[in-house]
Amino acid sequence: AQSVTQLDSQVPVFEEAPVELRCNYSSSVSVYLFWYVQYPNQGLQLLLKYLSGSTLVESINGFEAEFNKSQTSFHLRKPSVHISDTAEYFCAVTPDTGRRALTFGSGTRLQVQP
Amino acid sequence: EAGVAQSPRYKIIEKRQSVAFWCNPISGHATLYWYQQILGQGPKLLIQFQNNGVVDDSQLPKDRFSAERLKGVDSTLKIQPAKLEDSAVYLCASSLVERAGKETQYFGPGTRLLVL
Repeated sequence: AQSVTQLDSQVPVFEEAPVELRCNYSSSVSVYLFWYVQYPNQGLQLLLKYLSGSTLVESINGFEAEFNKSQTSFHLRKPSVHISDTAEYFCAVTPDTGRRALTFGSGTRLQVQP
Repeated sequence: EAGVAQSPRYKIIEKRQSVAFWCNPISGHATLYWYQQILGQGPKLLIQFQNNGVVDDSQLPKDRFSAERLKGVDSTLKIQPAKLEDSAVYLCASSLVERAGKETQYFGPGTRLLVL
């Protein structure tokens, strides 16, 4: 079984400041890793994913995450946030074999202030 | 490409009533998931289908919840009778198997259920 821990339930940050949302996972098998974003009253949208290859993955809107196998982490970072980045961010994992459901963390609320 | 469709978007019912949710996955996606997202928590799997067969329903409260995916395309999730603790957002997701078996799940907008 897998588990995901998002260490911060809320992260307030000023606009144009850098941000890091932390994610640690536990698994007895190799995993794929995902970050999803949920804007108010909307469904989950895939932000970025790590399946294999380069451990640094990027999204089209400036976010990046780095897979660190030794530390079992997949932290999400952005060098300069915008008001529009205000949302709930969920880290999720799934085993890399077979088709399995995602195991989600409890989410981190990013609140970008002007 | 159309996304995952769900209806209704919102539903308010009284406890002990029944309710049904509908999901139409992305065309060609063989795997379909139903998740329950309680306020302040991450989504948790209820049931997973592969075509029209159940892969995992270990976390589905089978005394009150049921789901089907006839013909391997759209799916319905039913709650009968509903309890107050069923108030949540019900998310449907479908997945695309990429090369080498890698899979990405795409989510619908969800159905927000309030049980009074």
